[in-house]
Amino acid sequence: DIQLTQSPSFLSASVGDSVTITCRASQGISSSLAWYQQKPGKAPKLLIYAASTLRSGVPSRFSGSGSGTGFTLTINSLQPEDFATYFCQQLNSYPLTFGGGTKVEIK
Amino acid sequence: QVQLKQSGPGLVKPSQTLSLTCTVSGDSISRGGYYWTWIRQHPEKGLEWIGYIYYSGTTYYNPSLRSRLSISTDASKKQFSLRLDSVTAADTAVYYCARGVDLFGMDVWGQGSTVTVSS
Repeated sequence: DIQLTQSPSFLSASVGDSVTITCRASQGISSSLAWYQQKPGKAPKLLIYAASTLRSGVPSRFSGSGSGTGFTLTINSLQPEDFATYFCQQLNSYPLTFGGGTKVEIK
Repeated sequence: QVQLKQSGPGLVKPSQTLSLTCTVSGDSISRGGYYWTWIRQHPEKGLEWIGYIYYSGTTYYNPSLRSRLSISTDASKKQFSLRLDSVTAADTAVYYCARGVDLFGMDVWGQGSTVTVSS
């Protein structure tokens, strides 16, 4: 199975800050990576697919980059509604796997 | 607008079978292109992909669960279902159904079902 390691697992930031979350794959997965946002008690919500393509309706302050084994999710100018947990997921090979998550909390 | 609605018991006894159903509205599960998927999330933990069923009936299961797992569809009811046999406390989790798109991700999710395995 492909292992995805996210870092940091927790970060504290203020409204207006920019934050970057990293996802590292145990082997190359091309650009087959998605990012999700999850709020407490809710299902995850797809934000980015194919590593860098913003899903329709997702604010442009979210961006993704990377390929191969290293990927990043950047949120520019954090808004109150962005405080949540973020997961990466590889779609390169089965079984599909997720990163451990990064919880973004208000400082 | 596609919606997935989950149903099933929230409490299952150890060694028994966990069964959940996901009802699809706004789309057909008999149309190609989508992988009707189950995912679970253990308490305060990450996400675990369980498996999918394609409209053709093709399934793919996580090897870690394959020996106990079955995913099926009932196209007439626009439903797909999860069956997990011989459950233990380790199967306690929130279970989600989702619509998967190849190389895209899970774009529509059910509301989640909290399942506790306990006597």
